Amino acid sequence: DAGVIQSPRHEVTEMGQEVTLRCKPISGHNSLFWYRQTMMRGLELLIYFNNNVPIDDSGMPEDRFSAKMPNASFSTLKIQPSEPRDSAVYFCASSLNRGGNQPQHFGDGTRLSIL
Amino acid sequence: DAKTTQPPSMDCAEGRAANLPCNHSTISGNEYVYWYRQIHSQGPQYIIHGLKNNETNEMASLIITEDRKSSTLILPHATLRDTAVYYCIVRVGTSGSRLTFGEGTQLTVNP
Repeated sequence: DAGVIQSPRHEVTEMGQEVTLRCKPISGHNSLFWYRQTMMRGLELLIYFNNNVPIDDSGMPEDRFSAKMPNASFSTLKIQPSEPRDSAVYFCASSLNRGGNQPQHFGDGTRLSIL
Repeated sequence: DAKTTQPPSMDCAEGRAANLPCNHSTISGNEYVYWYRQIHSQGPQYIIHGLKNNETNEMASLIITEDRKSSTLILPHATLRDTAVYYCIVRVGTSGSRLTFGEGTQLTVNP
């Protein structure tokens, strides 16, 4: 079975550029999560979607960050304009939401470097 | 979510059982114990979770004490590929509740 698929795996870009990270959740999963991992802050939740609707975006750092989920099989996380402090590994995870208590399954992440 | 406490590092010989402890003394009645691991440069991998009873799957066993204040993850026959950071997470069993990752335990399996 295909797991959560993220692209690109690596992204290096210059400060000020727009960055778009992509995620394809596991087929049939209806909850999707974006996390960010840094050495300083560890793994932190940025935003959570349920049935394509954003439910909790309290972890989104600031207005430069935006996330969309146009359909059940695709989500994007966009940073515009990007800054060096956005450098991190960004993970997408999905789960089957049927009353809770379902594990989240993670992709292999996008390693983002902003120069 | 309840806070968890894990040892920062552990070593285990290849082929032996690895027993990873976790303390969660403030766990609430509706909170589950989840275990994930993260191998270098990969995403966190779900291992197992439980509420009250001990659980076993193809990867590991989870032993939860009767008072639910601590648990142990058991890898019955550790291999070199089990070297990873292991995270014990206590999470409310409701839809979309976030996973709060702590520092975890760095398990090193030695040949």
